Amino acid sequence: KAGVTQTPRYLIKTRGQQVTLSCSPISGHRSVSWYQQTPGQGLQFLFEYFSETQRNKGNFPGRFSGRQFSNSRSEMNVSTLELGDSALYLCASMSSGGFQETQYFGPGTRLLVL
Amino acid sequence: LAKTTQPISMDSYEGQEVNITCSHNNIATNDYITWYQQFPSQGPRFIIQGYKTKVKNEVASLFIPADRKSSTLSLPRVSLSDTAVYYCLVAPGGYNKLIFGAGTRLAVHP
Repeated sequence: KAGVTQTPRYLIKTRGQQVTLSCSPISGHRSVSWYQQTPGQGLQFLFEYFSETQRNKGNFPGRFSGRQFSNSRSEMNVSTLELGDSALYLCASMSSGGFQETQYFGPGTRLLVL
Repeated sequence: LAKTTQPISMDSYEGQEVNITCSHNNIATNDYITWYQQFPSQGPRFIIQGYKTKVKNEVASLFIPADRKSSTLSLPRVSLSDTAVYYCLVAPGGYNKLIFGAGTRLAVHP
């Protein structure tokens, strides 16, 4: 089975721009979660989508949004980029979030905001 | 979620067995213990998960004592490519708001 894929792998943007990141989960997985990883804050949960609906949300501002499509692929959007948004953005997929399940992570998208 | 404590860093040499212990005193009845490995600029990779006693796969072993207040990840005969950060997580199975601590930086030397 193919793993979680994320595109693009690297991205450079300037302050004020917006960016869209894409994640394709493992085939058959319907839950997709997004995380932000920075050296200072570690790995922080952004939100989770399941069957095209946001099921859980972390403590990030409204500039961070996402969506999920009927094929379970997910996109994350960050508007009005700030320097502090520079980070590794990771998505993770899970079958449904049932008991004894675990999340599988993609390779990440490295975003640099100048 | 149960708080976890693990060493900040460890050093080892190629061919040795490495044991990384994680403390989780407040583990709940429905919590599972999961270990991830992460290389720089890559996503965490699932290594092993367990609930109690011992779990073994082709990569590692996980030892969990009866009181489940700690767990030990055992990596047999490490190589240079095992140099990475190792995270111990304790959460209910299927929990998606994973909270990663600082992890243990393992450095394997020739």
